[in-house]
Amino acid sequence: GDSVTQMEGPVTLSEEAFLTINCTYTATGYPSLFWYVQYPGEGLQLLLKATKADDKGSNKGFEATYRKETTSFHLEKGSVQVSDSAVYFCALAYTGFQKLVFGTGTRLLVSP
Amino acid sequence: DAGVIQSPRHEVTEMGQEVTLRCKPISGHDYLFWYRQTMMRGLELLIYFNNNVPIDDSGMPEDRFSAKMPNASFSTLKIQPSEPRDSAVYFCASSLGSGNTEAFFGQGTRLTVV
Repeated sequence: GDSVTQMEGPVTLSEEAFLTINCTYTATGYPSLFWYVQYPGEGLQLLLKATKADDKGSNKGFEATYRKETTSFHLEKGSVQVSDSAVYFCALAYTGFQKLVFGTGTRLLVSP
Repeated sequence: DAGVIQSPRHEVTEMGQEVTLRCKPISGHDYLFWYRQTMMRGLELLIYFNNNVPIDDSGMPEDRFSAKMPNASFSTLKIQPSEPRDSAVYFCASSLGSGNTEAFFGQGTRLTVV
């Protein structure tokens, strides 16, 4: 079945450091890919998405590129802030089928 | 819109008691999802509805769990009887459908069964 694999956390960085959180997927078709973020005590919220191969999703300085050849959707940010500390979830879904398949989440801790 | 609204935010109950979690999705959204989040198992999809009809309940852990959606603006997740291993954060989410797969999550209900 379809699945999403994320790197284990926590990822610990200093403010202004470069961030990469790895995400790979296994899918039988061509899903849309998503990054969701969960801040402490809150529900998940959509951070960015890409709907087809080579698309780049971006939001709030974060970006991720849909790589079909490597089945990856790695999340990057050039300079993290303390306020980026959260849990990040990679997910996939097929258009027309609303069910999201989530990875296990990666906790990011950014220190001043 | 106020977003997805869940109640209560926190629930502490004794083992064996019935627990009912409530969710009001975003108006106009055709899909509603119930998730459970724990440290050990991460985020699990329990069940989801399309236009108030359950589509996939394969994630419901056992018969003690049941979910209903009597109308487009309300859903419940019931656990009867509750057990300590049911302690988790339960999220409700809704999405528009019609090719738009973005899910909007509520703030969750933290359930503690003692």
